[in-house]
Amino acid sequence: GEQVEQLPSILRVQEGSSASINCSYEDSASNYFPWYKQEPGENPKLIIDIRSNMERKQIQELIVLLDKKAKRFSLHITDTQPGDSAMYFCAASNQGGSAKLIFGEGTKLTVSS
Amino acid sequence: GGIITQTPKFLIGQEGQKLTLKCQQNFNHDTMYWYRQDSGKGLRLIYYSITENDLQKGDLSEGYDASREKKSSFSLTVTSAQKNEMAVFLCASSPDWGGYYAEQFFGPGTRLTVL
Repeated sequence: GEQVEQLPSILRVQEGSSASINCSYEDSASNYFPWYKQEPGENPKLIIDIRSNMERKQIQELIVLLDKKAKRFSLHITDTQPGDSAMYFCAASNQGGSAKLIFGEGTKLTVSS
Repeated sequence: GGIITQTPKFLIGQEGQKLTLKCQQNFNHDTMYWYRQDSGKGLRLIYYSITENDLQKGDLSEGYDASREKKSSFSLTVTSAQKNEMAVFLCASSPDWGGYYAEQFFGPGTRLTVL
């Protein structure tokens, strides 16, 4: 089936620095790209999303970039805090007339103080 | 606001056993999903349903059955539990599909252990 590749799988940064996670997708018809944050023992929660009619979206310290030509999108967390430590998942819509999202394998982000 | 509840929270089964997991949502969402998450891994779609009595297979449907009894509930059955299997099963829901993607809200999960 369709795949979404997410890298890196593990990311360690110092508090106050930036963290970047990159995803690539296969289906050129994908038009919706959400990012979910999952803290240990918790369920995933949507933190930011972008649709294909945009190239950039920012919500506070979160920035998402979308390059439709390259079929890549990325999450950038500026000024990271220990509370940003969690698993992050990207996802891409699977157009084929369905309501499916295809999730990446996840990135474990650790922010150390 | 709304909430998604999953029962049971923890499920311990025996090899070969048929196990049923339940999910209820009061968002009045049309679409519901079942995902499997293995430790430290991503979410793999098992089944989803866009309306009552609808059922669509995900990439991981083999070994599972599902049932959308009514709009608010979606159950998943592990048809034959595999020995040493351990995973979290996450239920999610989202508003009317209609070709327009919307946020998926996740339940707290059911942790399955097979002895």
